Amino acid sequence: AQKITQTQPGMFVQEKEAVTLDCTYDTSDPSYGLFWYKQPSSGEMIFLIYQGSYDQQNATEGRYSLNFQKARKSANLVISASQLGDSAMYFCAMREGRYSSASKIIFGSGTRLSIRP
Amino acid sequence: EAQVTQNPRYLITVTGKKLTVTCSQNMNHEYMSWYRQDPGLGLRQIYYSMNVEVTDKGDVPEGYKVSRKEKRNFPLILESPSPNQTSLYFCASSSTSAGGPGETQYFGPGTRLLVL
Repeated sequence: AQKITQTQPGMFVQEKEAVTLDCTYDTSDPSYGLFWYKQPSSGEMIFLIYQGSYDQQNATEGRYSLNFQKARKSANLVISASQLGDSAMYFCAMREGRYSSASKIIFGSGTRLSIRP
Repeated sequence: EAQVTQNPRYLITVTGKKLTVTCSQNMNHEYMSWYRQDPGLGLRQIYYSMNVEVTDKGDVPEGYKVSRKEKRNFPLILESPSPNQTSLYFCASSSTSAGGPGETQYFGPGTRLLVL
């Protein structure tokens, strides 16, 4: 069964520092996609970054990068130069069967990131 | 503007009174999904739909029904709500073509449900 684990319930980071949010996953499917979402206190879910299991390079989107270590089944989110507006809940998610016609999507329990000024 | 809309945004109801939460998307997406979010548990998928008339159970389908009669709409039905269905509900949609970042899900604003 597929599973997503986020082991850090909460983190405090000083503004302008880089931060790494951990995510490990478990799947037997060789084809899958990994996502990170941000949920600010207002409640909306904001897509940040995507990594496909066959992608050769780590995904990057502005200040966000995904440290994809396939053999370790980890997909950590790295935020460079953190800002006060980065304070939010962050969720890692996985979709198995990337090109299949039917697949579930599962989420981790989330990490609450707080940026200190 | 590309968006997923949900109604109502807030709902207080009583045990056993049937309710429907509507979800609509204007992006012609094939894949639509319902999640519930509870503290410490993240988001858990209730049901998903790959296209019109094609639905399947997620991880927590008990007590919920869905239908997909039109591509843009994917209502969530609680036939007999119970207090343990008090939660924050999200609808989401995505394209299923080609995979990759294009398959990322767009989320609705959420519906806060309280069942007394």
